[in-house]
Amino acid sequence: AQSVTQPDIHITVSEGASLELRCNYSYGATPYLFWYVQSPGQGLQLLLKYFSGDTLVQGIKGFEAEFKRSQSSFNLRKPSVHWSDAAEYFCAVGAPNDYKLSFGAGTTVTVRA
Amino acid sequence: DADVTQTPRNRITKTGKRIMLECSQTKGHDRMYWYRQDPGLGLRLIYYSFDVKDINKGEISDGYSVSRQAQAKFSLSLESAIPNQTALYFCATSDTGLAGGWNTGELFFGEGSRLTVL
Repeated sequence: AQSVTQPDIHITVSEGASLELRCNYSYGATPYLFWYVQSPGQGLQLLLKYFSGDTLVQGIKGFEAEFKRSQSSFNLRKPSVHWSDAAEYFCAVGAPNDYKLSFGAGTTVTVRA
Repeated sequence: DADVTQTPRNRITKTGKRIMLECSQTKGHDRMYWYRQDPGLGLRLIYYSFDVKDINKGEISDGYSVSRQAQAKFSLSLESAIPNQTALYFCATSDTGLAGGWNTGELFFGEGSRLTVL
């Protein structure tokens, strides 16, 4: 079964600074990888996903993520954060023909002025 | 109106009570899921259904049951609630896709139902 580890529970970043959130997965083959964001009091919204092809994927809100098979990682990045990026971020992994996702524990991002 | 609607949004109940959380969707998706969110644990899958006649247990199904009343409705029940079932519960849907596989691969979430069991 697939699993996900998000090593950072909480990250604080200054507005305008860059952000990188780490995600490591465990799966025997090429997984399907996702990043979701949860704003306070809201459900989860998809930021981006990787199925195959180009290992650098672009998402909404200026986010990107890079799939690195050798490191079993799918880290999320944003060059310049905005106060509205304060939220909880979840990495998730799915397997082909499995149709359900396993989520990491989440990373809470705080943005300071 | 939201595409995935959960009711109630908030509920406080007592140990031993029966609770039902309801989910309805207007997205026309076949697949529906119930997840539970706890701080530090992320989201864990309770049950999922790929159509009305297909119900499957997730990783933490003990103490829960579900009913898929129609393609658009998927309910989660706690027959006898206990305090460690206090959590935020999410319903989600996904699309079957053209060839029965992942279409967009995206789960569409409701806004969550916060349950407190005293």
